Amino acid sequence: NAGVMQNPRHLVRRRGQEARLRCSPMKGHSHVYWYRQLPEEGLKFMVYLQKENIIDESGMPKERFSAEFPKEGPSILRIQQVVRGDSAAYFCASSATGIDGYGYTFGSGTRLTVV
Amino acid sequence: AQSVTQLDSHVSVSEGTPVLLRCNYSSSYSPSLFWYVQHPNKGLQLLLKYTSAATLVKGINGFEAEFKKSETSFHLTKPSAHMSDAAEYFCVVSLNRDDKIIFGKGTRLHILP
Repeated sequence: NAGVMQNPRHLVRRRGQEARLRCSPMKGHSHVYWYRQLPEEGLKFMVYLQKENIIDESGMPKERFSAEFPKEGPSILRIQQVVRGDSAAYFCASSATGIDGYGYTFGSGTRLTVV
Repeated sequence: AQSVTQLDSHVSVSEGTPVLLRCNYSSSYSPSLFWYVQHPNKGLQLLLKYTSAATLVKGINGFEAEFKKSETSFHLTKPSAHMSDAAEYFCVVSLNRDDKIIFGKGTRLHILP
């Protein structure tokens, strides 16, 4: 079992470009969560998805950010027209039944640097 | 409103001495509580979790935490620190009602030789 796979591990983008972050959940997991860790801050919830559905996107910035979890393939966090303030580590987690203490597993994160 | 407060952003202890990382929470519902550890350039690793069973929870690497409802606390302890424990530790509250989780800001643990 490969665990939660995030790629790329490191991503460098120039201001104005698009960033795509991928997350493949653990086998059998249908719940995916994205978190952002800004320097000197804790992890902050962004969005919670199940297959083909966004369940809770209350932590997503209103503009430029979007997420999807298609029927086939990984979950994608997409950031359009990146700015320096988007530089952070983005973590994905997956679970089988939602966060109730069972099998909540994090990936190693994608570190986005905007130059 | 639900929240998690990690009272210390940095903690330094000498190798072989006890570790105490403090966490207080605020929740309107019965929460599940977790401690995660993050080593540099690695993903978060679950240390232990409390989900309304025994209030004293034992985790990996000799860590344990006690859920005290009256104090709304879930402090992480270890009797004897090891150099490999140097990392960042996150206290996490899960609001079982709506599947949302809330992270504390983290405590950086430094181990002095």
